[in-house]
Parts: sequence; C-alpha cells; structure tokens
Amino acid sequence: QSVLTQPPSVSGAPGQRVIISCTGSSSNIGAGHDVHWYHHLPGTAPRLLIYGDTNRPSGVPDRFSGSKSGTSASLAITGLQAEDEADYYCQSYDSSLRGSRVFGGGTKLTVL
Amino acid sequence: EVQLVESGGGLVQRGGSLRLSCAASGFTLSSNYMTWVRQPPGKGLEWVSVFYTTGGTYYSEAVTGRFTISRDTSENVFYLQMHSLRAEDTAVYYCARDFGPSRYMGALDLWGQGTTVTVSS
Repeated sequence: QSVLTQPPSVSGAPGQRVIISCTGSSSNIGAGHDVHWYHHLPGTAPRLLIYGDTNRPSGVPDRFSGSKSGTSASLAITGLQAEDEADYYCQSYDSSLRGSRVFGGGTKLTVL
Repeated sequence: EVQLVESGGGLVQRGGSLRLSCAASGFTLSSNYMTWVRQPPGKGLEWVSVFYTTGGTYYSEAVTGRFTISRDTSENVFYLQMHSLRAEDTAVYYCARDFGPSRYMGALDLWGQGTTVTVSS
C-alpha cells in the first residue's frame, strides 16, 4: 500500500491528452512538499520528468506538465506518442518519518 | 560522462548480508544527497535510504536497523550495507542523485542502471 495513490493504469490514443493523478495526505503533498514525476521503462533507469511540482528538466518535451492542488498532484501528457508508453511514478517528501521520501504505486500508460 | 554505476547485487540466503556499491563519475558525490531506491519484482518504486551532505542518514521503516548507507568520498563511491536480509528485500536496487541540498530536495535527476538482489528462502 503506497503512501501516494495513483491509478494503476491509464490509456489514450496517439495525439490525445491523458492525466495521471497522485493523491496524498496532509503529511506529504498537503503539507506543501514538492512533487516529482518519473518515467520508467522496465529494465532501464527511471528518468526525472517533472520536479518541484511544475518544472521540466532540460530535454523533457513541453508535452509533459505537472500541477498540484491541496493533497493531490497531476501529470498531464498531451499529443500522446507511442514512445510515451511506460510506467509513471509520483514522489514527494513525507513529514511523518524524518528524511522520508515516498513514491506512488505507479501508473502504466498504454498508448492505444 | 556523468553517471552512476551500481554493483554488488546477487543471490543471498535469508538472514544473510550483502553490500551494494554505487560509483559516481563526472561529479562529486559529496555535493549532493544520495539515495537508494528499490523495485521488487512486479511492484513499484520504493524509497530505501538517503545520505545527506551533512552526513545525516535516513531509512524507510522497512529497512531501519538492518541497512546502513555510507560513502567514501576519496573513492567517490557510496554504499548500502544490508544485513538480516528477508525475501521481501528481493528487488532491483537503484542508486540516484538527489537535488538536495538545493531547493528541490528529493528530486532524483540521475539514476544508475540498477543491481539485482535476490534473497532465497
């Protein structure tokens, strides 16, 4: 049971927009802690997609965007491409255990 | 080239010990927080431990008291010493560079390829 809750799967057709939600609580997202998002293909190193709720590292297309409100955050992907098919994880800091980082359970994105 | 390379994974019996290494190149480990993350088979990413630039160390509840994170600044390598291993510790272990101590602490911008730990019962 992950501290941050994500839908197990989402899907969309090429060119469409999908949103992946990440729901936390008052000790993590709701406390104002930054939310970060990762793209992960099995057998490879995860890749940072969004940091500090809304910021994209260099090299990440602007098709990817992040937002946060209250105890939840979202990752939006527009103009879906076949190469976007992967697992996506949100991550934040949790005040309940000092130093603790927490991940969401992950969302499998399928491009139809 | 800026990269992280893990090593030390393998097959170990329940109750045994293993030490993972993470060698950094292209940057100095002591400038950033460094983190271990694992992924059990068929499951999601799980945060394990972090080493702060101040020397502070923190662990997830699942590994507290059994795992120890450390670093060797002269070799630019950091470690995860694992004791009393359990079947549920079976996972791919990744080391990762944290943005900390800068503004966006917690964001992991550089990851290794992972090393596999299998605990047999």
